[in-house]
Parts: sequence; C-alpha cells; structure tokens
Amino acid sequence: EADIYQTPRYLVIGTGKKITLECSQTMGHDKMYWYQQDPGMELHLIHYSYGVNSTEKGDLSSESTVSRIRTEHFPLTLESARPSHTSQYLCASSDGLAADTQYFGPGTRLTVL
Amino acid sequence: GDSVTQMEGPVTLSEEAFLTINCTYTATGYPSLFWYVQYPGEGLQLLLKATKADDKGSNKGFEATYRKETTSFHLEKGSVQVSDSAVYFCALMNTGNQFYFGTGTSLTVIP
Repeated sequence: EADIYQTPRYLVIGTGKKITLECSQTMGHDKMYWYQQDPGMELHLIHYSYGVNSTEKGDLSSESTVSRIRTEHFPLTLESARPSHTSQYLCASSDGLAADTQYFGPGTRLTVL
Repeated sequence: GDSVTQMEGPVTLSEEAFLTINCTYTATGYPSLFWYVQYPGEGLQLLLKATKADDKGSNKGFEATYRKETTSFHLEKGSVQVSDSAVYFCALMNTGNQFYFGTGTSLTVIP
C-alpha cells in the first residue's frame, strides 16, 4: 500500500484567498506530480518534480506554483483562488526506476466560491 | 505525440456480467502499460500493469494483455461485482518516463 498523503481532503474557500495544498510521501520517491482532475474525470498534469529543488510545469497551464525543498514534501500553492480553480487535485509519486508505478494520494477537492 | 485512447463510458452492467474496457495507445518504442482504478472520493490506485509485449497483468480477477501488434491493452473481467463500480483509467509510461492517462471509463454494476 502506498504511503502518500494529501491535506486537506476537502476545502471550500472564498475568491482571492491564498491556499496551499499539502502532499507528502514516506516512500523516499524522487519523482512527484500534481494532476488536476476535471468533472469529466480526465487527468491533466500541472506540475512535476524529479527531485529536491526540481520543479517543472506540466501539460496544462496552471496559475498554481509548487516547491520541492524536501524529498517527501511537494506542496501546491494558489496565491489568489478563483472559481475557475474549483477542481479535484491529485498528488502522485514514483520511484523513478524503469517501468515504475505512480502512487496516488486520496486527492483534495477544492471549491472556490 | 504519445497518447492513450480508451472506451468512452459510462458502462452499466449487471452483476456477474463480462466486462471489457478497450484501450489503445500510441507511443514509440516499448512503453509500459497500466490500468488504474478510482473509487468515489478517492485517488487512483494501480490495478495492474504490463511492461513488455505479450505480458499479461492481472489483479482481483481483472486481466489485460499487452498487444504490440494491435497497440492495445484491453481490460477484462469475467464476472463483475457491485464493488467493482468505479472509474477505470488506462495509462502508459513511455521510454522517457513520461506518463499519459486516458480519459477514464465509468463503470456501474447493478445487482
């Protein structure tokens, strides 16, 4: 069983607020990812990291930012939340080996009013 | 570019029916192929995977065979249960270690 955690699980917040979605894994994985999952279920990669101090933007443009100061921690921040940011956010990690598997956290469902 | 195409849903089956969810892929070389499952309110969980041609991944009664000649990785289960109701995602990891997910297929199994 994967050990990857996300908090909060659910968040309802007003427009303009700054929020940070937390993601932690205890598996020592180098690679970590953030996906945005729209109501149609499709996953969109918004950020990824190959290790400490490494962050890259994904396929879907996002106004969020990420940081990777520690291997186990990969938080995502929205400086000013808007209703268009309402979505499910999924964090994942992998060990970077050949044919590796992505392990997913339970997700954070964000609603911006 | 690399991509995954999977059968559109939603799929509704009666309990004990046979399940097939089609998945085809486009990629250069020999990608690894995966099926993930997402239960309501949860993240994705790895269901099964195959790393080379003709490999069969299996788990919890689900199976999928890596078919290089048809670039397919169809998910099958002989007898579905109500507890199998979930969204199923086909995915590939290419030789550059990049992941691509399909759009997901929602399955509902009715008693």
